Amino acid sequence: DIQMTQSPSSLSASVGDRVTITCRASQSIDSYLNWYQQKPGKAPKLLIYAASSLQSGVPSRFSGSGSGTDFTLTISSLQPEDFATYYCQQSYSNIRTFGGGTKVEIK
Amino acid sequence: QVQLQQSGPGLVKPSQTLSLTCAISGDSVSNSGAAWNWIRQSPSRGLEWLGRTYYRSKWYNDYAVSVKSRITINPDTSKNQFSLQLKSVTPEDTALYYCARGFRSSYEHWGQGTLVTVSS
Repeated sequence: DIQMTQSPSSLSASVGDRVTITCRASQSIDSYLNWYQQKPGKAPKLLIYAASSLQSGVPSRFSGSGSGTDFTLTISSLQPEDFATYYCQQSYSNIRTFGGGTKVEIK
Repeated sequence: QVQLQQSGPGLVKPSQTLSLTCAISGDSVSNSGAAWNWIRQSPSRGLEWLGRTYYRSKWYNDYAVSVKSRITINPDTSKNQFSLQLKSVTPEDTALYYCARGFRSSYEHWGQGTLVTVSS
């Protein structure tokens, strides 16, 4: 299986901050990387697909970059509704895997 | 608008079989551009992809290594739904189970989630 490692596992930030979350794959996955946001009691919500494509309806303050093994999700100016847990997921292999998640908390 | 509606028991005894169904509206289980997935979530294992079924001139399945010997995912074209069966469950299989549609290799549409507890 391809292992997905996210860092940090949690972070504290203030409204208006620029936030960066990293995801590393155990082997190259080209650009087959998706990002999700999950709030308590809800299913994950797709934010970014194919490493850098913004899902329809997702605010432009979210962006994704990277290819190969290293990827980044950036929130350019953190908003109150962005406090949540974020997951990466690879779709390179027929056996899909998720990262362990990054919880973004209010400072 | 794609919607996925899950059904199935929330309590399963150890060693028995966990069975869940995901009914699809707004799409077809036979859509050759989509894949139909089961994903679970628990505090100890995080988000864990379990497997999928998809149609590309014929039916295919892929399963996670961790459950490969115990899992079956089947499409039901007559009812436009797909199902999950997980055999020989243990308390480690206690989790929130989701179905999800795979499209462009990502998951935009999810079911509402079913909390399944494995306990006697």
